[in-house]
Amino acid sequence: AQTVTQSQPEMSVQEAETVTLSCTYDTSENNYYLFWYKQPPSRQMILVIRQEAYKQQNATENRFSVNFQKAAKSFSLKISDSQLGDTAMYFCAFMKHEGHNAGNNRKLIWGLGTSLAVNP
Amino acid sequence: EAQVTQNPRYLITVTGKKLTVTCSQNMNHEYMSWYRQDPGLGLRQIYYSMNVEVTDKGDVPEGYKVSRKEKRNFPLILESPSPNQTSLYFCASRPLAGTQETQYFGPGTRLLVL
Repeated sequence: AQTVTQSQPEMSVQEAETVTLSCTYDTSENNYYLFWYKQPPSRQMILVIRQEAYKQQNATENRFSVNFQKAAKSFSLKISDSQLGDTAMYFCAFMKHEGHNAGNNRKLIWGLGTSLAVNP
Repeated sequence: EAQVTQNPRYLITVTGKKLTVTCSQNMNHEYMSWYRQDPGLGLRQIYYSMNVEVTDKGDVPEGYKVSRKEKRNFPLILESPSPNQTSLYFCASRPLAGTQETQYFGPGTRLLVL
């Protein structure tokens, strides 16, 4: 069974600085997807970034980028130029790749989250 | 605007009083799913549906029912709620096949069972 571990329950960073959130996972699958979701105080679940395991290039979305190390099963999120609006809970999640079988559940497997506070 | 909606957003009820949380998506997604979020336990899947009239249990289905009579709707039913079902509930959807693998989430429903 797949598991996702986020080893940092809480982190803080000063506004405009850079912070890295850690995520490791365990799987025997070769093809899969990894996601970072953000949950602000509103509790809405917002996709930050996604990575396909078969792609060697690290995904980037504006100030957000990942460091995907497939062999080490590591998927860290880097937030550059942190802003007050980045204050939120961040969740790392794993999902198996579909392959040619469109009939299975392929639910998201979640880490327990990292609470990030951006300080002015 | 592409979205997943849930109603109600907040609900306080008493033990044993049947309730339904509605979920609707306007993206023509085949796959829909319900999760609950609890402190220290993260998000866990309750039920999912691959398409109309096709539903199955997730990891924590006890005490819940679902139905999928229409593609856009996937209501979560608590026939006899208990205090251990106090939680934050999320509905999510995605296409079943193709290259778009991202799940889209509703805004969440916060439920308190007294």
